[in-house]
Amino acid sequence: AQSVTQLDSQVPVFEEAPVELRCNYSSSVSVYLFWYVQYPNQGLQLLLKYLSGSTLVESINGFEAEFNKSQTSFHLRKPSVHISDTAEYFCAVIFPFSGGYNKLIFGAGTRLAVHP
Amino acid sequence: EPEVTQTPSHQVTQMGQEVILRCVPISNHLYFYWYRQILGQKVEFLVSFYNNEISEKSEIFDDQFSVERPDGSNFTLKIRSTKLEDSAMYFCASSEAGTGLDYEQYFGPGTRLTVT
Repeated sequence: AQSVTQLDSQVPVFEEAPVELRCNYSSSVSVYLFWYVQYPNQGLQLLLKYLSGSTLVESINGFEAEFNKSQTSFHLRKPSVHISDTAEYFCAVIFPFSGGYNKLIFGAGTRLAVHP
Repeated sequence: EPEVTQTPSHQVTQMGQEVILRCVPISNHLYFYWYRQILGQKVEFLVSFYNNEISEKSEIFDDQFSVERPDGSNFTLKIRSTKLEDSAMYFCASSEAGTGLDYEQYFGPGTRLTVT
């Protein structure tokens, strides 16, 4: 069955510390991978995506994620977080060869709380 | 920057009543979606819509739900007879058509539906 797992429901971290938010998915065939961010009282914003090509993808605000096919993972990392990064982060996957051509399957979300 | 808009931001209705949630997708987008997020749970896919017809729907999207693009700009989700368990945040999303571009879904801020 298609599933997306975010292992950590909450991640507290101090400002300027590094952070990694984990995401794993279940599939043996090609997938498309996304990270969305939801700031308080706002909608979901696309942070970064992997469709093909380089396995390391970056966002404009310093986040990066690496696609690891053998471990079926797409972990999100930032070397130094800011207070403004406090938000809910959702990993999402499209399983195009399992009948879900445009259907995003979301993980449960990870709440990143950055403390001063 | 173009964005997806949704109205109302919050809708309160009584059980058994019909509700219509409205969305204005980004103007040059051709794929439209509805997702929902019950409080404390994952974001779940409901339906995708392309070329004036449903292209995919989930098990959640039963006969009580319908979608429509009544004019060139709006995209609506109707729930015919609301149940308590329909209380959730409903997100509209849209994407361009084209190789790779249709995977980038842009989300609106959501409508919080409360059924009493």
